[in-house]
Amino acid sequence: EAGVAQSPRYKIIEKRQSVAFWCNPISGHATLYWYQQILGQGPKLLIQFQNNGVVDDSQLPKDRFSAERLKGVDSTLKIQPAKLEDSAVYLCASSFSREAGEKLFFGSGTQLSVL
Amino acid sequence: GQQVMQIPQYQHVQEGEDFTTYCNSSTTLSNIQWYKQRPGGHPVFLIQLVKSGEVKKQKRLTFQFGEAKKNSSLHITATQTTDVGTYFCAVQGAQKLVFGQGTRLTINP
Repeated sequence: EAGVAQSPRYKIIEKRQSVAFWCNPISGHATLYWYQQILGQGPKLLIQFQNNGVVDDSQLPKDRFSAERLKGVDSTLKIQPAKLEDSAVYLCASSFSREAGEKLFFGSGTQLSVL
Repeated sequence: GQQVMQIPQYQHVQEGEDFTTYCNSSTTLSNIQWYKQRPGGHPVFLIQLVKSGEVKKQKRLTFQFGEAKKNSSLHITATQTTDVGTYFCAVQGAQKLVFGQGTRLTINP
């Protein structure tokens, strides 16, 4: 079974530039998550989709971050403009549903360095 | 929002020694999940605990859920170099899974 696919694996940009990340969840998984993991910390949820609808985006910095999952399958996360503090690993995860107790399957992540 | 404290933040052991990490919440939890993240890798689901006082074992790993469902522990017996990584607990907040800050385990072979 294919896992969660993410690209790119690494990205280096300068501050104020824009960047986009792509994620393709496990086939059949209705729920997709974007997490931000700063070095030495646990993953922090940025946005959660159920099919193509947003369930939770309370911790998404909406002035600079945006995400979409138009067809309810793959998703993109964009940062525009990037700040130094956005340097982190961006993890995409999916689960079969959003019911409590569903285990998450994570992709390999995109390591973003903002210079 | 839902928060969870994990201790210790770091643990260094000699290979063969035991290791324990703890996860504590101020509120009663509906369930708790544990994930392992190898260096340079991504979190991988280990187990979920749901019942008060529940104990589950996976080979050398023992997971416990407290009687009050406010804390949990992960114990590794006789660590091996393959156990290196960061162990996270994750608890259910309002419609979302909230991760602890993790315990980073390093092992001296």
